[in-house]
Amino acid sequence: GENVEQHPSTLSVQEGDSAVIKCTYSDSASNYFPWYKQELGKRPQLIIDIRSNVGEKKDQRIAVTLNKTAKHFSLHITETQPEDSAVYFCAASSGNEKLTFGTGTRLTIIP
Amino acid sequence: EAGVVQSPRYKIIEKKQPVAFWCNPISGHNTLYWYLQNLGQGPELLIRYENEEAVDDSQLPKDRFSAERLKGVDSTLKIQPAELGDSAVYLCASSLHGGGATDTQYFGPGTRLTVL
Repeated sequence: GENVEQHPSTLSVQEGDSAVIKCTYSDSASNYFPWYKQELGKRPQLIIDIRSNVGEKKDQRIAVTLNKTAKHFSLHITETQPEDSAVYFCAASSGNEKLTFGTGTRLTIIP
Repeated sequence: EAGVVQSPRYKIIEKKQPVAFWCNPISGHNTLYWYLQNLGQGPELLIRYENEEAVDDSQLPKDRFSAERLKGVDSTLKIQPAELGDSAVYLCASSLHGGGATDTQYFGPGTRLTVL
């Protein structure tokens, strides 16, 4: 089955700087890669996703890049703000509706 | 549009007791998922329904866990009897299921279970 690894497990950045979270996956058939943000005690919320027919997708301060050859994808947050502090999860799916999640990255934005 | 609804939000029980969680998906969403989230970990799929059919229950511990979605709308997940290791957050999610490509999954707020 699919295996998703996520790094780093914790990340602290100064407000206004950029943050990058990286994930690798094992199943070459995977074709859908969402990123979820989960604040303490809250539900995971989708922030951005990418499908394997594109290499990059951007939504305001958030972008995701995908390298299918290397089987890795990354989340980029620019101009970080205190409200970006949360746990971020990557996930991968091979089109069978099953998501395999990474172990999460706790992002802390330092004012 | 209302999101995925779950109840209760919190549940504290003693080991060996039964417990049940309820989920109402987003209106019109055919696919419903139950996930287990341990502290500091990502969600792990327990079971997936398409309408009233359980199409993937390979990760559901069937000796003590059961689930149903009788009318293809809301769903119940049950544990009987609960064990200490079952303490976790139980998340429900739903997706539209367009057929073929993976649809966005929308999560509920979860039920935090504590087994004493």
